[in-house]
Amino acid sequence: EDQVTQSPEALRLQEGESSSLNCSYTVSGLRGLFWYRQDPGKGPEFLFTLYSAGEEKEKERLKATLTKKESFLHITAPKPEDSATYLCAVLDAGGTSYGKLTFGQGTILTVHP
Amino acid sequence: DAGITQSPRHKVTETGTPVTLRCHQTENHRYMYWYRQDPGHGLRLIHYSYGVKDTDKGEVSDGYSVSRSKTEDFLLTLESATSSQTSVYFCAIRDREYQPQHFGDGTRLSIL
Repeated sequence: EDQVTQSPEALRLQEGESSSLNCSYTVSGLRGLFWYRQDPGKGPEFLFTLYSAGEEKEKERLKATLTKKESFLHITAPKPEDSATYLCAVLDAGGTSYGKLTFGQGTILTVHP
Repeated sequence: DAGITQSPRHKVTETGTPVTLRCHQTENHRYMYWYRQDPGHGLRLIHYSYGVKDTDKGEVSDGYSVSRSKTEDFLLTLESATSSQTSVYFCAIRDREYQPQHFGDGTRLSIL
């Protein structure tokens, strides 16, 4: 059974204080790892897809990386507007036919001014 | 933003009543999904559809049914709502294999 574990559960940063969120996964065969951002009262908003170990994607202050066992979401010089819950999800080989994702429980990021 | 509209956005109802949630998309995507999100459980798949009239169960399908008579609409029905079905329900759509799913803004359902 696929498992996705995100850490920490909550992270408080000062504005400008860089850090990383972790997503560890166990799947039979990874076909994609997805990062989402979720604001209160909203649905998850897609950020990145990573398909193979060594791949990196960047968007503004966010950078996602992937190894064979985990993914990191690096936040450089965060701003208060980066405060949100960040979700990680994996697509494994068995789920590709209909796109079944297994989600982690998320990391709640709070950035103080 | 992906063209996904969920309705209603909020609903309060009583145990034993039927409830139908609607997901409407304007993207003409083939795949549609219903999830529920609960504290401590994250997002869990209820049902999904891979085409008109083609649906299947997800991991938490008991007590729920779905229908998809048109590409753009995916309905989730609770035939007889129970308090354990109080949750936030999200619809998602996907275009092709390996592509990300895109989510609507959810329906907050409270069953008293």
